[in-house]
Amino acid sequence: GAVVSQHPSRVICKSGTSVKIECRSLDFQATTMFWYRQFPKQSLMLMATSNEGSKATYEQGVEKDKFLINHASLTLSTLTVTSAHPEDSSFYICSARDWAIGTITDTQYFGPGTRLTVL
Amino acid sequence: ILNVEQSPQSLHVQEGDSTNFTCSFPSSNFYALHWYRWETAKSPEALFVMTLNGDEKKKGRISATLNTKEGYSYLYIKGSQPEDSATYLCASHTGTASKLTFGTGTRLQVTL
Repeated sequence: GAVVSQHPSRVICKSGTSVKIECRSLDFQATTMFWYRQFPKQSLMLMATSNEGSKATYEQGVEKDKFLINHASLTLSTLTVTSAHPEDSSFYICSARDWAIGTITDTQYFGPGTRLTVL
Repeated sequence: ILNVEQSPQSLHVQEGDSTNFTCSFPSSNFYALHWYRWETAKSPEALFVMTLNGDEKKKGRISATLNTKEGYSYLYIKGSQPEDSATYLCASHTGTASKLTFGTGTRLQVTL
């Protein structure tokens, strides 16, 4: 149980293009999903918290117009990196909380991540 | 301590050795401490969620302790096996938001 998938696992794109990453909870419903980014030798850094049916909450320093998040259903959240540039190259990973449990200290279940390389 | 810090950064042990790592976190506004195991090319796997000072949790050969007053947690692995090779992450949950603050992890390699 508690499986989260993420697609694609790896993407290489040209500078200026947009890239969409999907995060799905496969066997549970997730009212809240989280998007993290990890640069080499650094920790996972929270970018935004995504709530189903409402606007995402972005962390300080994360541009909401550049990193568009949509959470249209209880099992799917998407992150779109718009007009990607080489400095956006990073490892992006999502996580989800099980709606059925519903406390803020609940385990977050992670996807396997997406390696984005912008040329 | 303002951030979550883990030590050592990496560790190399022989099969059968027991080992432990440290996670230090801000003790103010503490809610919970999470431990994850992250194997290469896989999803981080939840090991423990700890909330109470003095708590000790165990899962097979892996156990963890928590000291919320001084802001640290230890993860222990007894009789390490090659399949224990992974990066072990801890994350602190503070305040009323759902936000987790992660350490950089301890990378464990267990060889025969």
